[in-house]
Amino acid sequence: AQSVTQLDSHVSVSEGTPVLLRCNYSSSYSPSLFWYVQHPNKGLQLLLKYTSAATLVKGINGFEAEFKKSETSFHLTKPSAHMSDAAEYFCVVSVLNRDDKIIFGKGTRLHILP
Amino acid sequence: EAQVTQNPRYLITVTGKKLTVTCSQNMNHEYMSWYRQDPGLGLRQIYYSMNVEVTDKGDVPEGYKVSRKEKRNFPLILESPSPNQTSLYFCATGLAGDFGYEQFFGPGTRLTVL
Repeated sequence: AQSVTQLDSHVSVSEGTPVLLRCNYSSSYSPSLFWYVQHPNKGLQLLLKYTSAATLVKGINGFEAEFKKSETSFHLTKPSAHMSDAAEYFCVVSVLNRDDKIIFGKGTRLHILP
Repeated sequence: EAQVTQNPRYLITVTGKKLTVTCSQNMNHEYMSWYRQDPGLGLRQIYYSMNVEVTDKGDVPEGYKVSRKEKRNFPLILESPSPNQTSLYFCATGLAGDFGYEQFFGPGTRLTVL
């Protein structure tokens, strides 16, 4: 079975400072991992994905994430936060097996302080 | 333009009045899925379909029905809606990669059941 834990429900950072959103996962199979972003009153947009190639994955808007199998983590980072980054972020695990389950984390709301 | 469309976008209804939310995609993806999003709970999968005429229950299927008669459409049916089904609903398609599905989301349907 798969599971995803986003370790913080809310994160606040000042504009221009680094962002770290934490995600741990568990999976019985080799997973694909994703981060999606949802801006207020909007749909979900793919930020980046890990699908077994490079463990350091670069996404849109300056975000990146590192797949660490030994730590079962897929944390999302950005060197310098911008006001437009204020949104909710979801970590997702997906595997291809008999059930083809896709599991969402509960989300982390990122607040950017001026 | 590749897209997932949902209709209606907003719906207010009363308890017990059957309704259908349509979902259509033009990306030729075999995998389609329905989610509901509630504050603090993230996105929870209602039903998914790996191909035409193949549907499976997700994590919260009670009170919902789906059908997949053709690849492009995956309607969500609430036979007798109740207030606890008030939520934001997302339809998504999935593109299979090496180990999992990358998903593409519709714009969402905000449902209120009085």
